[in-house]
Formats: sequence, C-alpha cells, structure tokens
Amino acid sequence: GNSVTQMQGQVTLSEEEFLFINCTYSTTGYPTLFWYVQYPGEGPQLLLKVTTANNKGSSRGFEATYDKGTTSFHLQKASVQESDSAVYYCVLGGRDTNAYKVIFGKGTHLHVLP
Amino acid sequence: AQTIHQWPVAEIKAVGSPLSLGCTIKGKSSPNLYWYWQATGGTLQQLFYSITVGQVESVVQLNLSASRPKDDQFILSTEKLLLSHSGFYLCAWSLTGGYAEQFFGPGTRLTVL
Repeated sequence: GNSVTQMQGQVTLSEEEFLFINCTYSTTGYPTLFWYVQYPGEGPQLLLKVTTANNKGSSRGFEATYDKGTTSFHLQKASVQESDSAVYYCVLGGRDTNAYKVIFGKGTHLHVLP
Repeated sequence: AQTIHQWPVAEIKAVGSPLSLGCTIKGKSSPNLYWYWQATGGTLQQLFYSITVGQVESVVQLNLSASRPKDDQFILSTEKLLLSHSGFYLCAWSLTGGYAEQFFGPGTRLTVL
C-alpha cells in the first residue's frame, strides 16, 4: 500500500545552520508530493508541492526534489532561522482510485536555537 | 477570499457523551472537504472526505461519523465518546483530488475525560 516515512522525529539546529529532513515514500506510478508546515495551535499549511512534471519545488528558502529512483523527497534549507521552528510533514497525495486519500508522514519537529 | 471556520474552538466532554463538531467553508463553491484527527504530538490521520453534498467516504474507522448537509458544511459526530477520541480535529478543503493543495481550518481541541 501507499506509505510515507519520516525517520527524524526531532531536529535541533542553531540559526544559519543547514537543514535536511529525510522523507521516503512508497506508491505505484507517479505521485504528487507535498511538504506542509504546522505551527503550534494551528492547522498545517502548504510549504511546497512537487509533481513528476517539475521534480523540484521551492518556497521561502526551502527546497525539495523528487527522486523516483530512490523514492525520496527530502526537504532542505541552506540557512535556518528561529522562525522556522515548527513541525514539518512530508505528504503523499492521492491518485487514481484513491484520489482523495492523503497520507501524512509522522512529522519532524524542528527546533532552531537563536 | 475563501475562509474556513471550525466550531467549537475547544470542547471538554465526558466519556460516553455525544459529540458534534462543525466546519464551514465560505467563498468556494463545491469544494472537496476532509476531516483529520491529530493526537497530541502526533501526525494527521485522515478520517473522512466528501466530494459532494450528501456523500461522505470513510478513510479510517474510529467510531466516528461524518455528514455533509450543505455544500459548504461538514459535520463530524459520534453518539458515544471514548478516551481515545481526545485530540485535535482539523477540517480542510481542496479544489480537486489528492494532488491538490489542502487548506486547513484552525482546528477544534477535544479533551475527553
């Protein structure tokens, strides 16, 4: 079945350090992949989206590249800020007969120290 | 502009009592609607989705039910709450299927005692 794996439950960095959050997925065909960010007490909001048409997404300094060979969709940022502290979810969009079923990864809690 | 409103903001309920949570989307015609549940510190679990009035599909069974009585309204309910129902309930909408961005509401915090 479809699945998303985020192994890093928590990442702690200092400001201006490099961020890398690992995400792998399992599905058939060509998926649509998302990164959502959730701040405390709020609903998630879209950070970026990637499809097989563009392979790479970027937003607010964050980048993610879709690699079908390794079925990975890692999130990166060259230099984090304290305001980036939040929970980041890798999300597999639905398709075909499961077009409306969306799968969230376990989430990675990012703490950025000033 | 589209707005999504959830009510109530928070609830404290007793085990075995009924529950009704609501969600309204304004400014968007015929949206796809979704209910999610999030345990404290946990990920989002999709519960239900609806692509049209009167039709709701269940994604996971948690002794909850959902209904869509109007184009812009989505209701989550149960006759008897369990302790395991505690958490954060989020409503979301999208223009199309799972390959489209979902827009989330502010959520309802439910505590079952």
